[in-house]
Amino acid sequence: ILNVEQSPQSLHVQEGDSTNFTCSFPSSNFYALHWYRWETAKSPKALFVMTLNGDEKKKGRISATLNTKEGYSYLYIKGSQPEDSATYLCAFYNNNDMRFGAGTRLTVKP
Amino acid sequence: DGGITQSPKYLFRKEGQNVTLSCEQNLNHDAMYWYRQDPGQGLRLIYYSQIVNDFQKGDIAEGYSVSREKKESFPLTVTSAQKNPTAFYLCASSIPYRVDYGYTFGSGTRLTVV
Repeated sequence: ILNVEQSPQSLHVQEGDSTNFTCSFPSSNFYALHWYRWETAKSPKALFVMTLNGDEKKKGRISATLNTKEGYSYLYIKGSQPEDSATYLCAFYNNNDMRFGAGTRLTVKP
Repeated sequence: DGGITQSPKYLFRKEGQNVTLSCEQNLNHDAMYWYRQDPGQGLRLIYYSQIVNDFQKGDIAEGYSVSREKKESFPLTVTSAQKNPTAFYLCASSIPYRVDYGYTFGSGTRLTVV
């Protein structure tokens, strides 16, 4: 079983703070790393897909980086807003399926 | 709008009974997946199917069964052999072998066995 680890498990920040969290994954046989955003009572929604070492993706205030050689990805949120409150999942693509981390639960207080 | 539908949202069953969770998609995706989530843990793969009439066991298939008779549908049966069936179950669909193509998820079914 492939291990995908995310840290921290939960995070509480004030509105306007910038924050980041980590996803670590096996560095061998890398295909792709996916980030999802999962709001309470909704279904997870895709944020980013990264396939190449050094990839950086950005969507508004959220960005992500990828280091496949050392097996980690960072997700950054600049100027957090209450609507950013969600669980952020990363998933390691394993050719046949994706293996998910336990997620980082972000709460942004107004 | 295309999407993936899981039903019911909440399900209560007595211990020892089999129960079937529904997952339907109209996205024309060949691949479908079932995951289970327990508190503090990541999504764990139960079963997946990459084409009609074929499916594979995931990491925690014991006590579960599936069928894939139609492209649109991938029902999951939680049998009485599953020791800890109370959990949140999430279904997803995708295009198989496309590493750059994410999953589309349903909104989940919370199963409680009493």
